Amino acid sequence: QKEVEQDPGPLSVPEGAIVSLNCTYSNSAFQYFMWYRQYSRKGPELLMYTYSSGNKEDGRFTAQVDKSSKYISLFIRDSQPSDSATYLCAMSAVGTGRRALTFGSGTRLQVQP
Amino acid sequence: SAVISQKPSRDICQRGTSLTIQCQVDSQVTMMFWYRQQPGQSLTLIATANQGSEATYESGFVIDKFPISRPNLTFSTLTVSNMSPEDSSIYLCSVVSYSGNTIYFGEGSWLTVV
Repeated sequence: QKEVEQDPGPLSVPEGAIVSLNCTYSNSAFQYFMWYRQYSRKGPELLMYTYSSGNKEDGRFTAQVDKSSKYISLFIRDSQPSDSATYLCAMSAVGTGRRALTFGSGTRLQVQP
Repeated sequence: SAVISQKPSRDICQRGTSLTIQCQVDSQVTMMFWYRQQPGQSLTLIATANQGSEATYESGFVIDKFPISRPNLTFSTLTVSNMSPEDSSIYLCSVVSYSGNTIYFGEGSWLTVV
């Protein structure tokens, strides 16, 4: 079993829809959670960062972390064709000095105009 | 956020040759990492580049194949040695922010081995 599981998609939605992207994980030591957006032939771009459980909102993006369920989500409101990309969840542990990230496999999102 | 520059951005390499990728950051950072992203796959950590000492490699990656240097707090290199077509990947440099809370990536170096 992978440490981080993410549905690869593709996920296709109409413009304006609310998108929900999710990851589950098995390592209870993970406490930093991030979402990256990666356009084709580009490096990952940091979208959201959260520490421990709770919600964080930034514009059209909301990140949720439920540590009890080992489940994280990214919501995109009023989705746009420019949101079409691969979304990667990533996480790292605290207290081990290990700040490298463990990634999900990425979900490919297509927003249809 | 840190600005990370990688060179080359892409290259086509002959089997059996070696290529060195450079990563330059616009500010001093404590931690730098090298990741690989094979076609259609997610990112896999190769190693942590340690300033002034040998890199720390992940399982499945060895120094002879992926030698890494980090002479100072803003620069690192990754060499892909004796390349085979299986090494065709994107190689990404990443750094931990000054606050220690976020991790940023360069644009990647796209290598195709023929």
